[in-house]
Amino acid sequence: EAGVTQSPTHLIKTRGQQATLRCSPISGHTSVYWYQQALGLGLQFLLWYDEGEERNRGNFPPRFSGRQFPNYSSELNVNALELEDSALYLCASSLGGVETQYFGPGTRLLVL
Amino acid sequence: TQLLEQSPQFLSIQEGENLTVYCNSSSVFSSLQWYRQEPGEGPVLLVTVVTGGEVKKLKRLTFQFGDARKDSSLHITAAQPGDTGLYLCAGQRDDKIIFGKGTRLHILP
Repeated sequence: EAGVTQSPTHLIKTRGQQATLRCSPISGHTSVYWYQQALGLGLQFLLWYDEGEERNRGNFPPRFSGRQFPNYSSELNVNALELEDSALYLCASSLGGVETQYFGPGTRLLVL
Repeated sequence: TQLLEQSPQFLSIQEGENLTVYCNSSSVFSSLQWYRQEPGEGPVLLVTVVTGGEVKKLKRLTFQFGDARKDSSLHITAAQPGDTGLYLCAGQRDDKIIFGKGTRLHILP
């Protein structure tokens, strides 16, 4: 069974640009979670999608947004990139709640 | 505000030694998870604890949830180089999940 996949693996952008990160959940999983893992800050919860709807979001500004498609894959968009957005962005999927989530390998975003 | 404090931040010990890492909070969690993350990979779930006082064992790893469901510990017996990694705890509260910053463990052969 394929695990959670994320693309691209690495992304380099400049300040002010927009970034789009993609996530494909494990087959059958309907929930997708996005996290930011920045140096010194640990893993921070960003967004939770389930059945195509945004269910919850963390303490991030509105320029962090996303969506979940009918096939349960998901996209995270970050607008007006700032240097502090440089981080590893992790996606996780689950079928039965956040306590049984499986993580992908992440997308490393570098903002110059 | 960091709601989940993990200690120590870094730990480097010799193969064969025992160790304990801690995850503490002043908040009550409905459940708590421990993950291990290796460089270039996402975290891998090790265990979920739900009941206060619960103890779970995974081979040489023993996980305990505090009686008040505010803290947890991970004890590793006879550490091996394969145990090297970043150990993260995460607690669930009010439909959100909160991660600690992790303990970076290095086992020397």
